[in-house]
Amino acid sequence: DVKVTQSSRYLVKRTGEKVFLECVQDMDHENMFWYRQDPGLGLRLIYFSYDVKMKEKGDIPEGYSVSREKKERFSLILESASTNQTSMYLCATGDTNSPLHFGNGTRLTVT
Amino acid sequence: GENVEQHPSTLSVQEGDSAVIKCTYSDSASNYFPWYKQELGKGPQLIIDIRSNVGEKKDQRIAVTLNKTAKHFSLHITETQPEDSAVYFCAASGGSYIPTFGRGTSLIVHP
Repeated sequence: DVKVTQSSRYLVKRTGEKVFLECVQDMDHENMFWYRQDPGLGLRLIYFSYDVKMKEKGDIPEGYSVSREKKERFSLILESASTNQTSMYLCATGDTNSPLHFGNGTRLTVT
Repeated sequence: GENVEQHPSTLSVQEGDSAVIKCTYSDSASNYFPWYKQELGKGPQLIIDIRSNVGEKKDQRIAVTLNKTAKHFSLHITETQPEDSAVYFCAASGGSYIPTFGRGTSLIVHP
């Protein structure tokens, strides 16, 4: 079974802090994604990566950056956390036009 | 880009009834249509998918139908059970290799 592991289930951070969310996959997938999930808004794509060191902006990249130094690891970075970034963050991996495999999410609260 | 509309946003049924969730898409180049189920506290998981060369696919109590001409596809769950209660997402990809998700349907099955 594909395993997508997100480093934290719950995080509480203060406004202005730099926040790192980590995601690791064990299936050698080329594509990795970071989504944000908010009630009524579904899954919104923040960034994705189709190869090591390659990244593309999604629909809502403002306030976020990403890093993919190794194929299995994709990190989401909040440079200066704000309260409007309180949300559920989901990492996913998959091959093109194939099912995505999601982690169980990180619920981030920024106070 | 692709736009996926999903309806209804909430669906309440009695145990044993059928449930139908509908999605429409805009990009005629889309050719892969997965459905995901998200249980509380977990990431979305694939439950069934269909490709554009097929009109219908079944897996036990779950079926998906695709109408390429009308650009819509539907999830059908028969003989619903309380454990079917979850949030369901449709998605479309192919025109762009990045999947576009619907906003989700919260299915509640009353015992």
